[in-house]
Order: sequence, then C-alpha cells, then structure tokens
Amino acid sequence: DTGVSQDPRHKITKRGQNVTFRCDPISEHNRLYWYRQTLGQGPEFLTYFQNEAQLEKSRLLSDRFSAERPKGSFSTLEIQRTEQGDSAMYLCASSLWSRETDTQYFGPGTRLTVL
Amino acid sequence: AQSVTQLDSQVPVFEEAPVELRCNYSSSVSVYLFWYVQYPNQGLQLLLKYLSGSTLVKGINGFEAEFNKSQTSFHLRKPSVHISDTAEYFCAVRGNNAGNMLTFGGGTRLMVKP
Repeated sequence: DTGVSQDPRHKITKRGQNVTFRCDPISEHNRLYWYRQTLGQGPEFLTYFQNEAQLEKSRLLSDRFSAERPKGSFSTLEIQRTEQGDSAMYLCASSLWSRETDTQYFGPGTRLTVL
Repeated sequence: AQSVTQLDSQVPVFEEAPVELRCNYSSSVSVYLFWYVQYPNQGLQLLLKYLSGSTLVKGINGFEAEFNKSQTSFHLRKPSVHISDTAEYFCAVRGNNAGNMLTFGGGTRLMVKP
C-alpha cells in the first residue's frame, strides 16, 4: 500500500497562468476526491469521481477549474487563468467506497501560490 | 447538509497532561464521524472513525473519541500527550445519504509544551 500521491508538492505561478495537478490514488480505490484548504481553515470539498465518472461538483469549483479521471485511476485538476484567491493547498483523497465503510485517505497535498 | 464546529481554535497543554478537543456537528440525517491529524506541510492522516456500534472509538497514537448522539458531539481525548502530538486536528462528518463528501470543522491546533 503506497498511499495517495500528489504531484507537484509545491507550485508557484503568476496570475493568469494555467496549472495542472496530478493525484494517484491507492490502487483499487474506486473513489477519488479533491478538496481545497486555505490557511487556517479545514478542507473544503471540490469534486469527486467514482471510477471515471465525475459525480458531484461543489459550487466552489468555478468554470476555471476542471478535473478529469480518464481511466478511472489517476486524476488531474486544472486551474485556468489563475487568480491570487486560488492560492491554497489542494488535497486529493481516495476510498474504496461502500455506504457503511467509506473511509477517505488523503495525499500530502499540492501547495499552490499565485503571485 | 452537514456542518461541524470545533469550539477551540488552539489548545495549549503541558506534556503528559490529558487533553480533550471538542467537536459538535449538525445534520438532518445520520452521520459517520472522523478525526484527522495534520502535521505541518503534510496531508491529513486518519486518527479514528465512528461508523456504527460502540460509541467509544479508539484510534492510533493513543487517541479515543466518544460519539454522543443526543449532544451531537464527537470529542477527541488523550490521557497523556507527547510533544510529538503537536499538530492541527480536524473533525469531519459524512452523511449516510447519497452525498459522500466530508465536511470539516475549522481545526484545532494542539500545542504541547515541555
């Protein structure tokens, strides 16, 4: 069990640039979640996938944000035309879902700084 | 929809003293409850979870929590803390309906002093 991995761990970009983050879930986990965490706050849900299907998106996920999980394994989160307000830690989690026992395991996160 | 309140943003405590981190939630449906710990510049690590059964749940690193349905609480406790327990602790809730995302509280920073 290698755990959830995320790449890169840190990203510094200029306002207006596009960025893409990658998440590799625990193998055989069918659900993958993205959260955003700003300084001093708890994580906030962005979106989740079951296999390759994106099942829910938060209102926090503006049109500049897009997420994919093309083969039901790794996922990417892209932010277009970044803004300073996008600066945050982006966390990925995965789970082997069942209604009774769903437990999400988190990766180390990608810290985004928009200058 | 669910919400989580962690009443204390910071809890200072001396090493080897007991500690309790408070968590209250609100939900219109039955819930599953979780505590996660976050060390600086790291992701979240699961400490313990309540899904069903016994209301007293034991987790890693000597932590335990008790689910109290009538008070809608899920407080985290440890009888004797170590310096290495210094971290941010997050309480989270998931409803047992179709939505599966976690709703987190604002976090409690536990600061263990020598």
